[in-house]
Amino acid sequence: GAVVSQHPSWVICKSGTSVKIECRSLDFQATTMFWYRQFPKQSLMLMATSNEGSKATYEQGVEKDKFLINHASLTLSTLTVTSAHPEDSSFYICSARDWVTGTDTQYFGPGTRLTVL
Amino acid sequence: DAKTTQPPSMDCAEGRAANLPCNHSTISGNEYVYWYRQIHSQGPQYIIHGLKNNETNEMASLIITEDRKSSTLILPHATLRDTAVYYCIVKGGNAGNMLTFGGGTRLMVKP
Repeated sequence: GAVVSQHPSWVICKSGTSVKIECRSLDFQATTMFWYRQFPKQSLMLMATSNEGSKATYEQGVEKDKFLINHASLTLSTLTVTSAHPEDSSFYICSARDWVTGTDTQYFGPGTRLTVL
Repeated sequence: DAKTTQPPSMDCAEGRAANLPCNHSTISGNEYVYWYRQIHSQGPQYIIHGLKNNETNEMASLIITEDRKSSTLILPHATLRDTAVYYCIVKGGNAGNMLTFGGGTRLMVKP
């Protein structure tokens, strides 16, 4: 099956700093990638949809100036959490949509656990 | 996208078949049924999807009722490693539609 990687797998940072998370589709091209956030004991919540070469579409309540998304190539999307605060501590998961082969299936990365002190 | 209803939790004995139900009574004609699972502290894993015919792959079987208002995911021989939260998601076939995760079913496979 298609493989999606994320880096880093976990990160601890100080309040007020910025953190960049990378999402890569390893064996397929993804014109669309998605970013999710998951708090403990809760389901995944979609944050934004990232389309290669264009601006991301953010879900209601997600601050686009705080969560910067860049999708510069067909295999890489990045999420930057700017001026992170403890309430941003969460499990961030990306997915990449395999549309080219016609299956229209999303494959997920392993997630990045962010802890803001 | 149509909403789905799943039992919050289920138990299954190791080696037996696990049958996970999902209701999606408001599904529309071009919407697919997708199943994912999430093992603790990992990203969701794609299992299977279908439109109206039953589907089978190396992981599981998907049985969709004729009226498409419900479906069942079958893990034929559950192992302890199948313990996870299983999500049934209905998604349109058009480009750009995202996956919306509900509460899922927490499957506990017991020895």
